[in-house]
Amino acid sequence: QSALTQPPSVSGSPGQSVTISCTGTSSDVGSYNRVSWYQQPPGTAPKLMIYEVSNRPSGVPDRFSGSKSGNTASLTISGLQAEDEADYYCSLYTSSSTYVFGTGTKVTVL
Amino acid sequence: QLQLQESGSGLVKPSQTLSLTCAVSGGSISSGDYSWSWIRQPPGKGLEWIGYIYHSGSTYYNPSLKSRVTISVDRSKNQFSLKLSSVTAADTAVYYCARETELLWTFDYWGQGTLVTVSS
Repeated sequence: QSALTQPPSVSGSPGQSVTISCTGTSSDVGSYNRVSWYQQPPGTAPKLMIYEVSNRPSGVPDRFSGSKSGNTASLTISGLQAEDEADYYCSLYTSSSTYVFGTGTKVTVL
Repeated sequence: QLQLQESGSGLVKPSQTLSLTCAVSGGSISSGDYSWSWIRQPPGKGLEWIGYIYHSGSTYYNPSLKSRVTISVDRSKNQFSLKLSSVTAADTAVYYCARETELLWTFDYWGQGTLVTVSS
């Protein structure tokens, strides 16, 4: 199972929206809703932001939303804030009962 | 509030075995709703899942590491452990332990991570 594909970087100005994609195949992302998203500010551990494609844990701002279309899952940050600057990773639970992470995306707030 | 804390040797010589422990507090490692994972991140690189152990004791490992990895649990101490054998410089990374919530297929609690350097 290869790593899921994410864009290396995305950027936006405060208040704007940015979307990060996470692309797999029809047999993984396309077939299951077992996709999560994690935020990792520099020097810290990852934090869960979205699970099962579009569910937000308690405490995560509703500016963060997830969706899926075909073989691509997406994380959208609306109303971008300076504190959102971090690396973001998607993960997938595969049909082999293993996990694979995305390649990671650096979000820069201009 | 659940907390996970990694501990172990921060420096391992090439060809030796890396050993780490994750102490769980604020909850029982024997709960049937969770499994317990190890994940690593080489400096400046992305996350790599290593493996997990179910409450039942069943284990699943990353196929690329399977021949070198062992994850075990010590219920009496409420902790779980990672052993990675025959290490090389490529195994230098920050190692995280994490809790996986079954049926949600997600890592909802993470340790702070511990840096392990492989060097002679």
